[in-house]
Amino acid sequence: DVKVTQSSRYLVKRTGEKVFLECVQDMDHENMFWYRQDPGLGLRLIYFSYDVKMKEKGDIPEGYSVSREKKERFSLILESASTNQTSMYLCASRDRHNSPLHFGNGTRLTVT
Amino acid sequence: GNSVTQMEGPVTLSEEAFLTINCTYTATGYPSLFWYVQYPGEGLQLLLKATKADDKGSNKGFEATYRKETTSFHLEKGSVQVSDSAVYFCALSDNTNAGKSTFGDGTTLTVKP
Repeated sequence: DVKVTQSSRYLVKRTGEKVFLECVQDMDHENMFWYRQDPGLGLRLIYFSYDVKMKEKGDIPEGYSVSREKKERFSLILESASTNQTSMYLCASRDRHNSPLHFGNGTRLTVT
Repeated sequence: GNSVTQMEGPVTLSEEAFLTINCTYTATGYPSLFWYVQYPGEGLQLLLKATKADDKGSNKGFEATYRKETTSFHLEKGSVQVSDSAVYFCALSDNTNAGKSTFGDGTTLTVKP
């Protein structure tokens, strides 16, 4: 069974801090994704990666960056956290374009 | 760009009632379509999928048929249980290598005994 592990379930950070959210998958998937989930807005794609060191912007990349140095790990970076980045962050991976996404359990980030 | 519109919630049903959650999409080409379910405190998990027109996905009593002519993928279940209470997301993935996915806003279902 595919496992996608997000390093923290809950994080509380201060405005202006640099924040790292880590995600690891164990099924050798090529493609990894970061979403944020907000009430009434569904899931919105922040960034995705289709190979090591390759990344593409999603729909809402502003204020975020990503790193994929190894195939199994995909990190989301908030360069300078702001209160409007308080949200649930979901990492996912998939094999091919028509295979289902496998999600981690999410990291609930609060920026104060 | 691609978009997914699903029925607004919340939806409240009695146990054994019939469930329909509507989902329509806009996409170029031939996307794959999915329903995901999210239980409290968890990430999303796949409920069912369909990868081409007229395919029917099914799982745990839920069904959805890929209708290209109406660009729809409505979720149905004949008899819901309390344990089906969750948030349901309709999604599509495009046919690029990475399969960038677009999600609907989610529909919260509560089933009462």
